[in-house]
Amino acid sequence: DQQVKQNSPSLSVQEGRISILNCDYTNSMFDYFLWYKKYPAEGPTFLISISSIKDKNEDGRFTVFLNKSAKHLSLHIVPSQPGDSAVYFCAASASGTYKYIFGTGTRLKVLA
Amino acid sequence: EPEVTQTPSHQVTQMGQEVILRCVPISNHLYFYWYRQILGQKVEFLVSFYNNEISEKSEIFDDQFSVERPDGSNFTLKIRSTKLEDSAMYFCASIGQGIPGELFFGEGSRLTVL
Repeated sequence: DQQVKQNSPSLSVQEGRISILNCDYTNSMFDYFLWYKKYPAEGPTFLISISSIKDKNEDGRFTVFLNKSAKHLSLHIVPSQPGDSAVYFCAASASGTYKYIFGTGTRLKVLA
Repeated sequence: EPEVTQTPSHQVTQMGQEVILRCVPISNHLYFYWYRQILGQKVEFLVSFYNNEISEKSEIFDDQFSVERPDGSNFTLKIRSTKLEDSAMYFCASIGQGIPGELFFGEGSRLTVL
């Protein structure tokens, strides 16, 4: 039951360029979405979130876009830096629950 | 900065043995979680805990699993009789009253079942 899917297991981007990480979901009850970053041997750390009442949220170099009709969200990182190299997970939850469902992750490698 | 701490960092056990993984969440946080990640796979929700009881649990969290907050600071996950497929990284997380969904994760406990 893969409610949150990240279809690209890996992505390589040149330093300074844009990284675009994609995420799709199937559960129409999801109305809150988050992105987490994970380095090896560490727990995931929160990056940015978006509520379904918005279609864009920006925090510095990170922007999350939400397309509710397509059940799709994306994380843009501009400009990409080598320190951004990590595994990125999207996660989703529905109102009234505190259960956060994670995707399979995308490994981003930013090349210097 | 406050952080979630987990012990042990790595435990190796024989199949059928009981294992207890320990976590100290951030002190003023209200919701507590266990997630696990089998090598290279997604981070899977196991259970959430609020007000001293299980709030939600996944289908993975069967009768072999239990959680407890025995003393108001530690939050433990017990696996009664471990199976090979329980081998994974187990992450504890907690949520405070800041950004909704901002889970603070510990560094994880790697469980290897032989």
